[in-house]
Amino acid sequence: AQSVTQLGSHVSVSEGALVLLRCNYSSSVPPYLFWYVQYPNQGLQLLLKYTTGATLVKGINGFEAEFKKSETSFHLTKPSAHMSDAAEYFCAVSLNRDDKIIFGKGTRLHILP
Amino acid sequence: AAGVIQSPRHLIKEKRETATLKCYPIPRHDTVYWYQQGPGQDPQFLISFYEKMQSDKGSIPDRFSAQQFSDYHSELNMSSLELGDSALYFCASSLSSWGRHNSPLHFGNGTRLTVT
Repeated sequence: AQSVTQLGSHVSVSEGALVLLRCNYSSSVPPYLFWYVQYPNQGLQLLLKYTTGATLVKGINGFEAEFKKSETSFHLTKPSAHMSDAAEYFCAVSLNRDDKIIFGKGTRLHILP
Repeated sequence: AAGVIQSPRHLIKEKRETATLKCYPIPRHDTVYWYQQGPGQDPQFLISFYEKMQSDKGSIPDRFSAQQFSDYHSELNMSSLELGDSALYFCASSLSSWGRHNSPLHFGNGTRLTVT
């Protein structure tokens, strides 16, 4: 069965600093990988996804993630944090032929002025 | 663009009461998922429907049932409510073909259920 582990339930970075949110997955077959963001009182929004092809995936709001099969990782990065990036971020995985998405436990990103 | 619509936004019920949550997917989306997100927790998959048939089942209690109708909207029925059922219930929709993610999940803003 597939699973997702997000390292760090809370991450704080200064405005303008690099954002790095870590995600490792476990899957018996090549996975689809996702990052979702949840702003307060809102539903989840897709930031980016990896299915096949290029391992570096660019998403919305300047975020990107790189699929590293050898490390079973899909870390989310952004070169320069903005105050508006403060939110909860969920890494997620699904199997090729399985509709169900499994979410990690989330990482709350705090942006320090 | 039209999004996933959930109703109601907020719902307050007492223990042992019943509740019905509704989800209207994005037009032409054929797959609906229900997730439960407890306070400070990650979303937990409950159940999904593809073309009006149940396609997968997760950690949905026996007290809950759901269905997808001919217009693709879905309803989550919850009976004998317990305090622990208080959570944010998300519905998501997608357009699925052969079980592949041709489109990502689009989530509604959720229904916040409070059981007192």
